[in-house]
Amino acid sequence: DAGVIQSPRHEVTEMGQEVTLRCKPISGHDYLFWYRQTMMRGLELLIYFNNNVPIDDSGMPEDRFSAKMPNASFSTLKIQPSEPRDSAVYFCASSSRWGSRGSHEQYFGPGTRLTVT
Amino acid sequence: AQSVTQLDSHVSVSEGTPVLLRCNYSSSYSPSLFWYVQHPNKGLQLLLKYTSAATLVKGINGFEAEFKKSETSFHLTKPSAHMSDAAEYFCVVSNYNTDKLIFGTGTRLQVFP
Repeated sequence: DAGVIQSPRHEVTEMGQEVTLRCKPISGHDYLFWYRQTMMRGLELLIYFNNNVPIDDSGMPEDRFSAKMPNASFSTLKIQPSEPRDSAVYFCASSSRWGSRGSHEQYFGPGTRLTVT
Repeated sequence: AQSVTQLDSHVSVSEGTPVLLRCNYSSSYSPSLFWYVQHPNKGLQLLLKYTSAATLVKGINGFEAEFKKSETSFHLTKPSAHMSDAAEYFCVVSNYNTDKLIFGTGTRLQVFP
């Protein structure tokens, strides 16, 4: 398996512009997670999906952030409008928990490094 | 409620010497515990996991961790450090009652020649 795929790997944009980050989870995984990592706040969970349905978006910083999962193999995280404080590395992760108990490990993508100037 | 505490933010060792990265957890239920590693400018990679089977868990690259319920600890060890082990290590806790992983603040491991 190719693992979790994220694109782009690097994004530089100007304040006020729309940014779209993309993620392809591991085939067969039923959970998808979006995280943000910064030096100041560490790793933060933004939102996660189960079977393409958003379950918990309490970590989304504000209305400028939105996430979708139109099908089992694709998700997007959108920031509109972007601000310099959104600069961070954004990770997507997926896991498989089909009907079984116990927490399951998540597999992370390589991340998208976002710089907003 | 769940939480995890990594007791050292930085650990420095010489190549060939043992590595010990300390982690204590708190969980209302029987925990699942993980260690992840993050090399510079890379994603997080699973090193090993404990899910109520054997208390001594072996992972990749010679790492292992021991689950000690009485001490609520899950320390990560390696007998002999290699330069390529230099990275950030995260201790993670979860349980069957949640979909989320709770990450520690990380321990940066430096390995000197």
